[in-house]
Amino acid sequence: QSALTQPPSASGSPGQSVTISCTGTSSDVGGYNYVSWYQHHPGKAPKLMIYEVFKRPSGVPDRFSGSKSGNTASLTVSGLQAEDEADYYCSSYVGSNNLVFDGGTKLTVL
Amino acid sequence: QLPLQESGPGLVKPSETLSLTCTVSGGSISSSSYYWAWIRQPPGKGLEWIGSIYYSGRTYYNPSLKSRVTISVDTSKNQFSLKLTSVTAADTAVYYCARQVVVVIAATGNPFDYWGQGTLVTVSS
Repeated sequence: QSALTQPPSASGSPGQSVTISCTGTSSDVGGYNYVSWYQHHPGKAPKLMIYEVFKRPSGVPDRFSGSKSGNTASLTVSGLQAEDEADYYCSSYVGSNNLVFDGGTKLTVL
Repeated sequence: QLPLQESGPGLVKPSETLSLTCTVSGGSISSSSYYWAWIRQPPGKGLEWIGSIYYSGRTYYNPSLKSRVTISVDTSKNQFSLKLTSVTAADTAVYYCARQVVVVIAATGNPFDYWGQGTLVTVSS
């Protein structure tokens, strides 16, 4: 089973932009546009932030955006706010009715 | 309002079967617009998809867990359930139930748009 790779941590000051990457292979991230991003505040239910690489569910601020280049998907948070401090996970379809998550990135707002 | 709520024992003995139920409120589990899934997170680790089920009973499982997992649905109770057999300490995790909204044709390519709060299950004697 493939695994996705994310940096364990990222940080930025309020108002700045931060980009979190999610690197896979041509068998997962690079092969399908089925990448999702989730925000998780510990102790709470994870929240869907981005799906199908760049689409935002209703209610998610447009400060959150997603993109993909080759085997790497990215989540960019613009205009960082204190409440954006959380763990972020990406997931990707990997074919054969299987999907994988990565290990997550802890975003700290300085 | 959380539309998904996990329930079940918080402690399971090694080699026994872990059983959890997810109750869906605020909507019908029989909707053709959703799949229903189980995801877990071991302490200090990332998320792991366990499997998904459609209201018809069609299931999809993580290949690494497939031999030990059964997910079922009870449309009369608006619930779906997880059974994981022969558990070990490695199965200790927070278990989440989640709803997968159908937006793409690949069943497991669909995003999880609602999650439960999660329930910690510890495997220990």
